[in-house]
Order: sequence, then C-alpha cells, then structure tokens
Amino acid sequence: QQQVKQSPQSLIVQKGGIPIINCAYENTAFDYFPWYQQFPGKGPALLIAIRPDVSEKKEGRFTISFNKSAKQFSLHIMDSQPGDSATYFCAARRAGSYQLTFGKGTKLSVIP
Amino acid sequence: EPEVTQTPSHQVTQMGQEVILRCVPISNHLYFYWYRQILGQKVEFLVSFYNNEISEKSEIFDDQFSVERPDGSNFTLKIRSTKLEDSAMYFCASIPTGENYGYTFGSGTRLTVV
Repeated sequence: QQQVKQSPQSLIVQKGGIPIINCAYENTAFDYFPWYQQFPGKGPALLIAIRPDVSEKKEGRFTISFNKSAKQFSLHIMDSQPGDSATYFCAARRAGSYQLTFGKGTKLSVIP
Repeated sequence: EPEVTQTPSHQVTQMGQEVILRCVPISNHLYFYWYRQILGQKVEFLVSFYNNEISEKSEIFDDQFSVERPDGSNFTLKIRSTKLEDSAMYFCASIPTGENYGYTFGSGTRLTVV
C-alpha cells in the first residue's frame, strides 16, 4: 500500500520528442506527488509537484498529469533536450507524514 | 542558491566499524531527513528529525542507526556497526517548514563497506 510503481525503467527519445513517465499508487492517503530529477553523482532535485485536487500542472517544459480516480500520475517533458538526460523519480507523501515514498526511477536518455 | 552540504563525499569502511555521515542543512530549515539509495535502486526513507527529536523512522532505521544535531548546524547519521548491505549513497535533505514539502537534497555520501 505504501508503494509507488514507476514505468518505464528506461527510456530513449530523440531531441524534441516528448518522453512520458508514468507512476501509479494504491494508498489514497497520499496527498502530495513530486517529481525529482537526478544527475549522476548528485542528489535528487525537485522538478515539479502536484496535489490531488488538480488534474494538471505545468512548469516550463515539464507537465504533470494527475488522474485521481485511476490513482495514476505522469510526467511529460516537452521539446526534450540532451541536457534532460537524467534519472527521474516520482514520489508520494502521505497526509500527516513528512516522508516521501519514491518510485524506482526512470533513466531517460535524449539523443541529439 | 542555498545548498545542503554533505561530507565526506565518499567513505570506505571495514565491516563492523562505526561511521558518521555529516550534513549541514540550509540554515533556516527546520526539518531534516536522511534517505539512502542502494546503487541503481530507488531512494528510501530512513528518518526525519524535527525540534531535536526523531519524528518518523522507517524499518531500515534500526538500533544500529542514530541521528544527532550536536551544535545547531550539523546533522549527523551514525551507523554503529556497519554491514556489507549498508553500502549505499546516503542523502541528507531539509525543508524550511512543515507546510513546504519541497525537499532540498545534498549531493550525498557514498558509503562502501568492505
């Protein structure tokens, strides 16, 4: 119930493409859903986050789509660039808790 | 931009030895965390710390682990008797208030137990 399932495990897209990374959860007590970007040798960095009362949030080239009834959320990267090549983690936070439960990560490669 | 600073960046230790991982959170942050990431796997929660006490801990955070904020700026994670399976990247993180959930993570300490 505490798990967040993330797919795909890896993804290769051409520059300008729109990679989509999906996450699903079971615990309806989750109330905050962030995405983190991690470059090799660095800590995860917060990219964008959404709460379940909103179905979509956009920040620059990054968009989260949230489907509360399906308990799924996804990250879309518009006009992807080679500099976007990184590992992306979805996460979820349970109401009343400060800990984040992370997905297993998606390694994205954007080829020129 | 303010950073969470972790030292050392890499620590090699023998099995059974004690290690202390150090973190300097962002100065006006009040909530502190340790997470770990075994190579190639997901980031896992270890412990959260607020107002000089542990507020939450995971099942990973057993009696071999402890945390401390000894001097108002440093935040440390101690592993008393390291095991091979403790080899991982350990990340410290902090947030300013309980209402702001956007963690700032440090760059991590790679712990290798041999």
